[in-house]
Amino acid sequence: AQTVTQSQPEMSVQEAETVTLSCTYDTSESDYYLFWYKQPPSRQMILVIRQEAYKQQNATENRFSVNFQKAAKSFSLKISDSQLGDAAMYFCAYRSAFRYRQGGSEKLVFGKGTKLTVNP
Amino acid sequence: EAGVAQSPRYKIIEKRQSVAFWCNPISGHATLYWYQQILGQGPKLLIQFQNNGVVDDSQLPKDRFSAERLKGVDSTLKIQPAKLEDSAVYLCASSLNRGTQETQYFGPGTRLLVL
Repeated sequence: AQTVTQSQPEMSVQEAETVTLSCTYDTSESDYYLFWYKQPPSRQMILVIRQEAYKQQNATENRFSVNFQKAAKSFSLKISDSQLGDAAMYFCAYRSAFRYRQGGSEKLVFGKGTKLTVNP
Repeated sequence: EAGVAQSPRYKIIEKRQSVAFWCNPISGHATLYWYQQILGQGPKLLIQFQNNGVVDDSQLPKDRFSAERLKGVDSTLKIQPAKLEDSAVYLCASSLNRGTQETQYFGPGTRLLVL
């Protein structure tokens, strides 16, 4: 079974600065997807960024970018020019493409999350 | 476009009581998921529907949990009888269809406290 580990329960950053959230995962599969989701307090979880394992190029979405190291099974999220609205829980998640092709579900396997505080 | 709707937002019950949660996915979304998020943990899939059929319910405690999606649109998740360890946020998510490229859109969740 796949597992996702987020080793930083809490992180803080000054507004306008850069912060990196860490994520490692364990899998024996070669075809999968990785995600970062943001969950603001009392609000729904939204997708921040997605990475396909077969793509070597790191995904970027505006101020958000990832550092995907497939061999090391590492998938970190970098937030540049941090804003107060970035304050939230951030979850790293894994989805198996192999399982889907075998008739299984497209379930997301989540880490425990990192609480990000942005200081003005 | 309206998002995933869930109700109620909060529920407090005593152990051994029953409770039901409702989810209305984004219009046209064929795939629906129920996740359980215990405090301090990431969400865990309980059940996945494709239209009104079950794709995966391997982590659903079937002795007390049940879920249905009769007309392939709304879904209900029920717990009967509830235990203290069922205290959690229950998240509903939907996607347009099956497939690893599909994005899951989450609702605001129902926060359950079992006393």
